[in-house]
Amino acid sequence: EIVMTQSPATLSVSPGERATLSCRASQSVTNNWLAWYRQKPGQAPRLLIYGASTRATGIPARFSGSGSGTEFTLTISSLQSEDFAVYFCLQYDKWPLTFGGGTKVEIK
Amino acid sequence: QLQLQESGPGLVKPSETLSLTCDVSGGSINSGDYFWGWIRQPPGKGLQWIAEFRQSGSTYYNPSLESRVTTSVDTSRNLFSLRLSSVTAADTAIYYCARRARVGGSGGHLFDLWGQGSPVTVSS
Repeated sequence: EIVMTQSPATLSVSPGERATLSCRASQSVTNNWLAWYRQKPGQAPRLLIYGASTRATGIPARFSGSGSGTEFTLTISSLQSEDFAVYFCLQYDKWPLTFGGGTKVEIK
Repeated sequence: QLQLQESGPGLVKPSETLSLTCDVSGGSINSGDYFWGWIRQPPGKGLQWIAEFRQSGSTYYNPSLESRVTTSVDTSRNLFSLRLSSVTAADTAIYYCARRARVGGSGGHLFDLWGQGSPVTVSS
Protein backbone atom coordinates (compact mmCIF):
# COMPACT_ATOMS: atom_id res chain seq x y z
CA GLU A 1 0.00 0.00 0.00
CA ILE A 2 1.22 3.50 -0.85
CA VAL A 3 1.01 5.62 2.31
CA MET A 4 0.27 9.28 1.63
CA THR A 5 1.45 11.78 4.24
CA GLN A 6 0.27 15.37 4.15
CA SER A 7 1.83 18.29 5.92
CA PRO A 8 1.18 20.40 7.75
CA ALA A 9 -1.95 19.08 9.42
CA THR A 10 -3.18 22.64 9.89
CA LEU A 11 -2.11 25.77 8.06
CA SER A 12 -3.10 29.22 9.33
CA VAL A 13 -3.12 31.79 6.54
CA SER A 14 -4.56 35.27 6.08
CA PRO A 15 -6.92 35.94 3.17
CA GLY A 16 -4.99 36.98 0.08
CA GLU A 17 -1.83 35.18 1.17
CA ARG A 18 -0.21 32.13 -0.39
CA ALA A 19 -0.67 28.63 0.95
CA THR A 20 1.64 25.73 0.20
CA LEU A 21 0.52 22.19 1.02
CA SER A 22 2.67 19.11 0.82
CA CYS A 23 1.89 15.47 0.05
CA ARG A 24 4.52 12.77 0.28
CA ALA A 25 4.14 9.20 -0.97
CA SER A 26 5.86 6.19 0.60
CA GLN A 27 6.78 4.96 -2.89
CA SER A 28 6.83 6.51 -6.32
CA VAL A 29 3.48 7.40 -7.86
CA THR A 30 3.73 6.20 -11.45
CA ASN A 31 2.67 8.60 -14.20
CA ASN A 32 2.15 11.23 -11.50
CA TRP A 33 -1.34 9.89 -10.90
CA LEU A 34 -1.85 12.20 -7.97
CA ALA A 35 -4.91 14.35 -7.40
CA TRP A 36 -5.88 17.09 -4.98
CA TYR A 37 -9.35 17.65 -3.55
CA ARG A 38 -10.91 20.40 -1.47
CA GLN A 39 -13.57 19.50 1.07
CA LYS A 40 -15.81 22.04 2.75
CA PRO A 41 -17.73 21.14 5.91
CA GLY A 42 -20.69 18.90 5.22
CA GLN A 43 -19.80 18.47 1.56
CA ALA A 44 -18.20 15.81 -0.57
CA PRO A 45 -14.67 16.47 -1.82
CA ARG A 46 -14.26 18.45 -5.04
CA LEU A 47 -11.53 17.70 -7.55
CA LEU A 48 -9.00 20.50 -7.99
CA ILE A 49 -5.90 19.02 -9.61
CA TYR A 50 -5.17 15.73 -11.39
CA GLY A 51 -2.06 14.27 -12.94
CA ALA A 52 -0.19 16.20 -10.23
CA SER A 53 -0.41 19.50 -12.10
CA THR A 54 -3.50 19.80 -14.31
CA ARG A 55 -6.37 21.92 -13.07
CA ALA A 56 -9.79 20.32 -13.30
CA THR A 57 -12.58 22.00 -15.25
CA GLY A 58 -13.74 25.22 -13.63
CA ILE A 59 -10.90 25.43 -11.12
CA PRO A 60 -9.39 28.94 -10.95
CA ALA A 61 -5.80 29.65 -11.85
CA ARG A 62 -4.85 30.46 -8.27
CA PHE A 63 -4.62 26.69 -7.71
CA SER A 64 -1.51 24.99 -9.00
CA GLY A 65 0.00 21.58 -8.47
CA SER A 66 3.56 20.42 -8.88
CA GLY A 67 5.87 17.57 -8.08
CA SER A 68 6.62 14.06 -9.21
CA GLY A 69 7.61 10.67 -7.87
CA THR A 70 7.07 10.89 -4.14
CA GLU A 71 6.87 14.62 -3.45
CA PHE A 72 3.90 16.74 -4.47
CA THR A 73 2.76 20.28 -3.70
CA LEU A 74 -0.49 22.19 -3.96
CA THR A 75 -0.14 25.96 -4.02
CA ILE A 76 -2.98 28.42 -3.60
CA SER A 77 -1.57 31.76 -4.70
CA SER A 78 -4.05 34.10 -3.03
CA LEU A 79 -6.48 32.57 -0.57
CA GLN A 80 -10.14 33.44 -1.01
CA SER A 81 -12.84 32.90 1.61
CA GLU A 82 -14.06 29.71 -0.06
CA ASP A 83 -10.57 28.21 0.12
CA PHE A 84 -10.59 27.82 3.89
CA ALA A 85 -11.32 24.13 3.96
CA VAL A 86 -9.61 20.75 4.17
CA TYR A 87 -7.44 19.51 1.32
CA PHE A 88 -6.70 15.87 0.52
CA CYS A 89 -4.28 14.28 -1.89
CA LEU A 90 -5.10 10.97 -3.55
CA GLN A 91 -2.85 8.52 -5.37
CA TYR A 92 -4.76 6.64 -8.05
CA ASP A 93 -1.76 4.77 -9.35
CA LYS A 94 -2.05 1.50 -7.47
CA TRP A 95 -4.68 -0.41 -5.52
CA PRO A 96 -5.57 0.14 -2.77
CA LEU A 97 -6.21 3.77 -3.63
CA THR A 98 -5.01 5.90 -0.74
CA PHE A 99 -5.65 9.40 0.48
CA GLY A 100 -3.49 11.64 2.60
CA GLY A 101 -4.71 12.53 6.07
CA GLY A 102 -5.62 16.05 4.98
CA THR A 103 -4.46 19.61 5.58
CA LYS A 104 -6.88 22.03 7.14
CA VAL A 105 -6.40 25.58 5.87
CA GLU A 106 -7.78 27.98 8.44
CA ILE A 107 -8.07 31.71 8.70
CA LYS A 108 -5.20 33.33 10.56
CA GLN B 1 -26.23 15.31 -15.56
CA LEU B 2 -25.17 12.19 -13.70
CA GLN B 3 -25.84 12.18 -9.97
CA LEU B 4 -25.15 9.71 -7.19
CA GLN B 5 -27.26 9.36 -4.05
CA GLU B 6 -26.51 7.09 -1.12
CA SER B 7 -29.14 5.61 1.14
CA GLY B 8 -28.55 3.72 4.32
CA PRO B 9 -29.81 2.89 7.81
CA GLY B 10 -28.16 5.69 9.76
CA LEU B 11 -27.71 3.49 12.84
CA VAL B 12 -26.37 -0.07 12.98
CA LYS B 13 -25.77 -2.25 16.03
CA PRO B 14 -22.30 -3.68 16.72
CA SER B 15 -21.68 -7.09 15.09
CA GLU B 16 -24.47 -6.55 12.56
CA THR B 17 -24.17 -5.92 8.83
CA LEU B 18 -24.25 -2.46 7.33
CA SER B 19 -26.02 -2.16 3.98
CA LEU B 20 -25.81 0.89 1.73
CA THR B 21 -27.18 1.61 -1.72
CA CYS B 22 -26.06 4.14 -4.31
CA ASP B 23 -28.68 5.26 -6.81
CA VAL B 24 -27.28 6.51 -10.10
CA SER B 25 -29.48 8.98 -11.98
CA GLY B 26 -29.04 10.95 -15.18
CA GLY B 27 -27.05 8.23 -16.91
CA SER B 28 -26.52 4.51 -17.14
CA ILE B 29 -24.21 2.65 -14.82
CA ASN B 30 -23.47 0.40 -17.80
CA SER B 31 -22.09 3.06 -20.10
CA GLY B 32 -18.57 4.28 -20.38
CA ASP B 33 -15.21 3.32 -18.93
CA TYR B 34 -15.81 3.87 -15.24
CA PHE B 35 -15.17 2.44 -11.83
CA TRP B 36 -18.02 2.66 -9.30
CA GLY B 37 -17.11 2.47 -5.66
CA TRP B 38 -17.27 3.37 -2.01
CA ILE B 39 -15.22 5.62 0.23
CA ARG B 40 -15.72 6.41 3.89
CA GLN B 41 -14.71 9.17 6.26
CA PRO B 42 -14.79 8.66 10.05
CA PRO B 43 -15.77 11.75 12.06
CA GLY B 44 -13.03 14.38 11.90
CA LYS B 45 -10.69 12.08 9.97
CA GLY B 46 -9.44 11.43 6.48
CA LEU B 47 -10.84 9.41 3.60
CA GLN B 48 -10.54 5.66 3.19
CA TRP B 49 -11.19 3.87 -0.08
CA ILE B 50 -13.28 0.74 0.53
CA ALA B 51 -13.99 -1.02 -2.75
CA GLU B 52 -14.94 -0.53 -6.38
CA PHE B 53 -16.02 -2.44 -9.46
CA ARG B 54 -15.96 -2.09 -13.19
CA GLN B 55 -18.71 -3.18 -15.54
CA SER B 56 -16.20 -5.58 -17.08
CA GLY B 57 -16.75 -7.60 -13.90
CA SER B 58 -13.55 -6.74 -12.07
CA THR B 59 -13.89 -5.85 -8.40
CA TYR B 60 -11.23 -4.41 -6.13
CA TYR B 61 -11.20 -4.24 -2.33
CA ASN B 62 -9.17 -2.52 0.32
CA PRO B 63 -7.21 -5.40 1.90
CA SER B 64 -7.90 -4.00 5.36
CA LEU B 65 -11.65 -4.46 4.84
CA GLU B 66 -11.84 -7.18 2.21
CA SER B 67 -12.89 -9.98 4.54
CA ARG B 68 -15.99 -8.03 5.60
CA VAL B 69 -16.99 -6.27 2.37
CA THR B 70 -19.37 -7.34 -0.37
CA THR B 71 -20.37 -5.22 -3.35
CA SER B 72 -23.12 -5.81 -5.86
CA VAL B 73 -24.74 -4.05 -8.78
CA ASP B 74 -28.30 -4.02 -10.10
CA THR B 75 -28.11 -2.71 -13.65
CA SER B 76 -31.88 -2.97 -14.16
CA ARG B 77 -32.36 -0.45 -11.34
CA ASN B 78 -29.17 1.47 -12.07
CA LEU B 79 -27.80 1.15 -8.58
CA PHE B 80 -24.99 -0.53 -6.69
CA SER B 81 -24.64 -1.62 -3.10
CA LEU B 82 -22.18 -2.17 -0.28
CA ARG B 83 -22.43 -4.60 2.60
CA LEU B 84 -20.03 -4.45 5.52
CA SER B 85 -20.34 -7.24 8.06
CA SER B 86 -19.45 -7.51 11.75
CA VAL B 87 -19.38 -3.76 12.26
CA THR B 88 -17.83 -2.06 15.26
CA ALA B 89 -17.67 1.53 16.46
CA ALA B 90 -14.61 1.96 14.23
CA ASP B 91 -16.92 1.65 11.23
CA THR B 92 -18.80 4.80 12.22
CA ALA B 93 -18.31 7.17 9.29
CA ILE B 94 -19.86 9.05 6.42
CA TYR B 95 -20.02 6.63 3.51
CA TYR B 96 -19.72 8.05 0.02
CA CYS B 97 -20.37 6.39 -3.29
CA ALA B 98 -18.31 7.77 -6.15
CA ARG B 99 -17.38 7.31 -9.76
CA ARG B 100 -13.84 7.08 -11.09
CA ALA B 101 -13.33 8.27 -14.63
CA ARG B 102 -10.53 9.29 -16.95
CA VAL B 103 -10.36 13.06 -16.67
CA GLY B 104 -8.94 15.21 -19.43
CA GLY B 105 -7.27 12.32 -21.21
CA SER B 106 -4.85 11.89 -18.34
CA GLY B 107 -4.88 8.13 -18.64
CA GLY B 108 -5.70 7.45 -15.02
CA HIS B 109 -9.09 7.11 -13.41
CA LEU B 110 -9.85 9.43 -10.54
CA PHE B 111 -12.93 10.35 -8.51
CA ASP B 112 -14.87 12.92 -10.46
CA LEU B 113 -18.39 12.46 -9.12
CA TRP B 114 -19.43 11.86 -5.52
CA GLY B 115 -22.68 11.36 -3.69
CA GLN B 116 -23.54 13.63 -0.79
CA GLY B 117 -22.61 10.96 1.74
CA SER B 118 -24.60 8.76 4.08
CA PRO B 119 -23.74 9.03 7.78
CA VAL B 120 -23.63 5.72 9.62
CA THR B 121 -23.26 5.31 13.36
CA VAL B 122 -22.46 1.95 14.93
CA SER B 123 -23.91 1.84 18.40
CA SER B 124 -26.08 -0.37 20.56
